[in-house]
Amino acid sequence: QKEVEQNSGPLSVPEGAIASLNCTYSDRVSQSFFWYRQYSGKSPELIMSIYSNGDKEDGRFTAQLNKASQYVSLLIRDSQPSDSATYLCAVNGGGGTSYGKLTFGQGTILTVHP
Amino acid sequence: SAVISQKPSRDICQRGTSLTIQCQVDSQVTMMFWYRQQPGQSLTLIATANQGSEATYESGFVIDKFPISRPNLTFSTLTVSNMSPEDSSIYLCSAGEYGETQYFGPGTRLLVL
Repeated sequence: QKEVEQNSGPLSVPEGAIASLNCTYSDRVSQSFFWYRQYSGKSPELIMSIYSNGDKEDGRFTAQLNKASQYVSLLIRDSQPSDSATYLCAVNGGGGTSYGKLTFGQGTILTVHP
Repeated sequence: SAVISQKPSRDICQRGTSLTIQCQVDSQVTMMFWYRQQPGQSLTLIATANQGSEATYESGFVIDKFPISRPNLTFSTLTVSNMSPEDSSIYLCSAGEYGETQYFGPGTRLLVL
């Protein structure tokens, strides 16, 4: 059973702080990793994708991947109340019949308070 | 990125009936997927919709309950058959290429009475 684990939270941070979201996965051959944001009543929207070890930055968002530790994280700098949402970590199956399929974590609820 | 639309956006249905949900992508894509999201839960993959062949279902989901069509590279349907209140959920369509980002439609909110 391929698993993706996230802290469900809720994670509460003050406006302007750094929010750190973490995710671990069990399938060692996974190749691609995604962070989605989901507002209440809306569908998931892509925030970041990352494919190789290290950091990837896009504006206020930084994704970090460590395949040896099977760990992926998302940092949100200068957090804004509009960042309050559920953040879903998704991992693409590494091979065989799993390739192309996403396995989602249970999501972390982030609240940014003014 | 692909733009995905779904119809209907929401519906209220009586138990024992069936509902077909449509998913349209604005460009040709290799892979289309159907997910279910229960209130307060994460996404659960129902099946992969394969163009020109039968869908591939995940454990716990069967073709008789969730028949899927994929007549071309931009369109798919999911039917929820013989519905019961337990089928009340949000059904999401996604699309993408192998190993690449999946983009999601807006979802269909289904309530079964």
